[in-house]
Amino acid sequence: DGGITQSPKYLFRKEGQNVTLSCEQNLNHDAMYWYRQDPGQGLRLIYYSQIVNDFQKGDIAEGYSVSREKKESFPLTVTSAQKNPTAFYLCASSMEPGLAGFSSTDTQYFGPGTRLTVL
Amino acid sequence: DAKTTQPTSMDCAEGRAANLPCNHSTISGNEYVYWYRQIHSQGPQYIIHGLKNNETNEMASLIITEDRKSSTLILPHATLRDTAVYYCIVRVGNFNKFYFGSGTKLNVKP
Repeated sequence: DGGITQSPKYLFRKEGQNVTLSCEQNLNHDAMYWYRQDPGQGLRLIYYSQIVNDFQKGDIAEGYSVSREKKESFPLTVTSAQKNPTAFYLCASSMEPGLAGFSSTDTQYFGPGTRLTVL
Repeated sequence: DAKTTQPTSMDCAEGRAANLPCNHSTISGNEYVYWYRQIHSQGPQYIIHGLKNNETNEMASLIITEDRKSSTLILPHATLRDTAVYYCIVRVGNFNKFYFGSGTKLNVKP
């Protein structure tokens, strides 16, 4: 089956610990994204990657880090510097990176999400 | 940035059409309007998108006003499984960045 997988679905960590969330896609998409969602709110962009070995900060990147060593994978690390890490984390991918100067119409497809709770 | 405004919540009777409005008065000429929905604790699901013309697919219809400052998502025959938060989104900038607002909580009732 083609799609985006995130693991685990639920994750619990102690305060002060770093934790890495997994995101894998087999859609052969170039671009990948990480969003954070808090209760009753919309999604906010953390980081995005348009191509392997390249990524850019989104609107709320502080306290997070990412890597993009493979096209299929875009792991997100929530560091101890993130003051309020408890949230629902969503990964997405899209076929086109949306190059500067061009209006991409590409659709983003989302994974099932990981709910992180820091105790 | 082309932001969107949606009602916080709406009710719809099962089997009736659900019409979800969205205002995007600052949209730029080449920015598309997208609609996604999110069922509780799941990832958002793509529904439809459009630029100027009305669009229809197996899930819904999208009606965009001539001045492009607003749009309406139509679910022709709402079912209980359509209960979800519906997001109207306009791309921000040149890159494929979506701005998600708070969306509209659609409650489909028997």
